[in-house]
Amino acid sequence: AQKITQTQPGMFVQEKEAVTLDCTYDTSDQSYGLFWYKQPSSGEMIFLIYQGSYDEQNATEGRYSLNFQKARKSANLVISASQLGDSAMYFCAMREDGQNFVFGPGTRLSVLP
Amino acid sequence: NAGVTQTPKFRILKIGQSMTLQCTQDMNHNYMYWYRQDPGMGLKLIYYSVGAGITDKGEVPNGYNVSRSTTEDFPLRLELAAPSQTSVYFCASSYWVASYEQYFGPGTRLTVT
Repeated sequence: AQKITQTQPGMFVQEKEAVTLDCTYDTSDQSYGLFWYKQPSSGEMIFLIYQGSYDEQNATEGRYSLNFQKARKSANLVISASQLGDSAMYFCAMREDGQNFVFGPGTRLSVLP
Repeated sequence: NAGVTQTPKFRILKIGQSMTLQCTQDMNHNYMYWYRQDPGMGLKLIYYSVGAGITDKGEVPNGYNVSRSTTEDFPLRLELAAPSQTSVYFCASSYWVASYEQYFGPGTRLTVT
């Protein structure tokens, strides 16, 4: 069964510093996708970044990068140069072809001025 | 291209009342989903559909029903509302391939009193 673990219920980071949000996953499939979503206090779910299981390079999208370590089954989100607007819940998710998305419990990030 | 739209945005129901949450997507996605999110928690899958005429239960289907008569629409029906159904409901859609992210609607905040 697919499973996503996010071990950090809450994180604090100083503005302008980098922060890493942890995500580990469990799957027996070789082909899968990993996703990170942001949910600000306004409630909407915002897609941030995607990593495919066969991608050799770590995904990057602006200040977001995904530290993908396939052998360790980890897909950590790195946010560089944190901004106050980065304060939100962050969800890691995984999906195999034709299967449903599986979401982790989330990490609440607070950026301190 | 409106993406995923949900109506209503907010609703207050009395115990025992029924209602339908509407969800429409205009991206021709074959997969559609309903999630609920309780305060401070992650997403729980209620029902999903892999195409018109095909629906299946998720993790927490009790007290809900769905139908999928068209590719675009995926309404969620609450029968005999209970306080335990107080939550934020998200509709989402996607293609079947693992490399494609899930698009979320803005959510419906439902309170049952």
